[in-house]
Amino acid sequence: AQKVTQAQTEISVVEKEDVTLDCVYETRDTTYYLFWYKQPPSGELVFLIRRNSFDEQNEISGRYSWNFQKSTSSFNFTITASQVVDSAVYFCALSGRGSNFGNEKLTFGTGTRLTIIP
Amino acid sequence: EADIYQTPRYLVIGTGKKITLECSQTMGHDKMYWYQQDPGMELHLIHYSYGVNSTEKGDLSSESTVSRIRTEHFPLTLESARPSHTSQYLCASTQQGAGGSDTQYFGPGTRLTVL
Repeated sequence: AQKVTQAQTEISVVEKEDVTLDCVYETRDTTYYLFWYKQPPSGELVFLIRRNSFDEQNEISGRYSWNFQKSTSSFNFTITASQVVDSAVYFCALSGRGSNFGNEKLTFGTGTRLTIIP
Repeated sequence: EADIYQTPRYLVIGTGKKITLECSQTMGHDKMYWYQQDPGMELHLIHYSYGVNSTEKGDLSSESTVSRIRTEHFPLTLESARPSHTSQYLCASTQQGAGGSDTQYFGPGTRLTVL
């Protein structure tokens, strides 16, 4: 069975501070995919990134960066120089290889509510 | 990125009413999904579809039903709404990604309140 754990329920930081959101996963699949989604107060889920299990390179996109470490089964997300617009709930998710539909279903973590204080 | 539309965005309705939540996508995606999310909580898959005339129940038991008569349309119906159905309902569709896995893109959601 797959599992995603986001131990941080809520985080508050002052604007311009850096913040890291933790994500730990469990899976028996050798090939799997990890995702981060952002859910602002308006409610929609915005796709941020997808990472393959065979690619452990860290990724940077503007103020966002992701640290994928298979050795610790973690896929952490860092926002540098946070802004008020970053306030949202962030979900980490996991899926297996798409060889059949059962493996394609996303397993979500419980989310981390991030509040950026102006 | 996928264009996925959900209507209505907000719905307040009385107990016992029949409702249909609409979900449409314009990208020709074969796979579509419905998730239920209580405020501040994780998402739970309630229905999914491989394609036309294919529907399956998800991990979370739901009294709702779905249909897939056209590729672009995946409506969800509650025959008799109850207060326990109050939640946000999110629709998603899948774009085939390189390497075999798919990235799910989500619609804006419908916030349902049953009085």
